[in-house]
Amino acid sequence: AQSVTQLDSQVPVFEEAPVELRCNYSSSVSVYLFWYVQYPNQGLQLLLKYLSGSTLVKGINGFEAEFNKSQTSFHLRKPSVHISDTAEYFCAVSEEDGGFKTIFGAGTRLFVKA
Amino acid sequence: NAGVTQTPKFRVLKTGQSMTLLCAQDMNHEYMYWYRQDPGMGLRLIHYSVGEGTTAKGEVPDGYNVSRLKKQNFLLGLESAAPSQTSVYFCASTRDRGTQPQHFGDGTRLSIL
Repeated sequence: AQSVTQLDSQVPVFEEAPVELRCNYSSSVSVYLFWYVQYPNQGLQLLLKYLSGSTLVKGINGFEAEFNKSQTSFHLRKPSVHISDTAEYFCAVSEEDGGFKTIFGAGTRLFVKA
Repeated sequence: NAGVTQTPKFRVLKTGQSMTLLCAQDMNHEYMYWYRQDPGMGLRLIHYSVGEGTTAKGEVPDGYNVSRLKKQNFLLGLESAAPSQTSVYFCASTRDRGTQPQHFGDGTRLSIL
């Protein structure tokens, strides 16, 4: 069965420090992977996606993620965070031969401190 | 450039009351979804639609009904609201299953007293 695990529910970090938000998934077939960001009182917005090809994917706002098939992971990274990056981040997985659904992780709240 | 619009944005109901949440998208997307978001649980799929006139159950469909009479609209109904349905509800749409990202509305915050 498909599942998505975000290993950290909260990640506090100081401004200008690097950050990594971890995401692991389980699936028996090929997958498509997404990271979304949710700012307070807003819906989710796409940060980046992996469909195929290069395993290092770059997204908006300086974020990037690396797909690791052997470890079934899709960790999100940013080399230097800003106060404005404070938000909740969701990893999501769709299966290549699956139905019409995407499974979302429980979310990681990133809190950037001055 | 509206994208996905949800109405209302906030609502307070009493137990047993009914209501309908409206989702409208102007991107001509085939697929539409209703999720609920609860603390620590991410987004859980309630119902979805793969095209006009079609609906299907998601992960947590009990207590909800949906309709997709027009391609651009996806309605979520609560026939008899219960406190357990207090949540933030999000509608999303996408052009294609799987490979395309979902576009989300800003949510409806619903409290059931």
